[in-house]
Amino acid sequence: SQQGEEDPQALSIQEGENATMNCSYKTSINNLQWYRQNSGRGLVHLILIRSNEREKHSGRLRVTLDTSKKSSSLLITASRAADTASYFCATEIYGQNFVFGPGTRLSVLP
Amino acid sequence: DAGVIQSPRHEVTEMGQEVTLRCKPISGHNSLFWYRQTMMRGLELLIYFNNNVPIDDSGMPEDRFSAKMPNASFSTLKIQPSEPRDSAVYFCASSPGETGIQETQYFGPGTRLLVL
Repeated sequence: SQQGEEDPQALSIQEGENATMNCSYKTSINNLQWYRQNSGRGLVHLILIRSNEREKHSGRLRVTLDTSKKSSSLLITASRAADTASYFCATEIYGQNFVFGPGTRLSVLP
Repeated sequence: DAGVIQSPRHEVTEMGQEVTLRCKPISGHNSLFWYRQTMMRGLELLIYFNNNVPIDDSGMPEDRFSAKMPNASFSTLKIQPSEPRDSAVYFCASSPGETGIQETQYFGPGTRLLVL
């Protein structure tokens, strides 16, 4: 099974609504990253949050990390059609490489 | 900087043929990664290099796959002989991180491979 798994697998919302995606993982991590992938493109880094951080913001993005629950969430506020993409969390176990989850497919309807 | 450059962007080949994928990482980055993405298996790390040295190739599926990094600005992923199940999108990514301390990875646009 995956070290990091996003939930839900797919999410469909209306433009202007907020979108929340979650990532759960199994073992202790050094840091966690969120990436976005538009259809047919490579992944683009969004936010990195370290294990000693609880929350980070970047524009309309807000990421939280709860190491006691081994989970993270990505919140996109005031969503736009351009936010339609797949979102992946990547967990870094100490001294090892990132492991990507299967992703959440977000559709923002105009 | 132009970002990570991959070529070709699309490759269609017949089963049994040799396929070579190429990657130019971002200048100054120490680490380079090759990933494979399919609908069934998601994004899988195949191999990663640090300072041109292969560090972890445990994700390479089998002996048909090989990767090289002859210098800091070029890497290849070769499949010989190719099989239909190798059809996927292959991504190259680079990172400024040192071994065991991975920071943000910067992905190339990918090579879409179809093996008939």
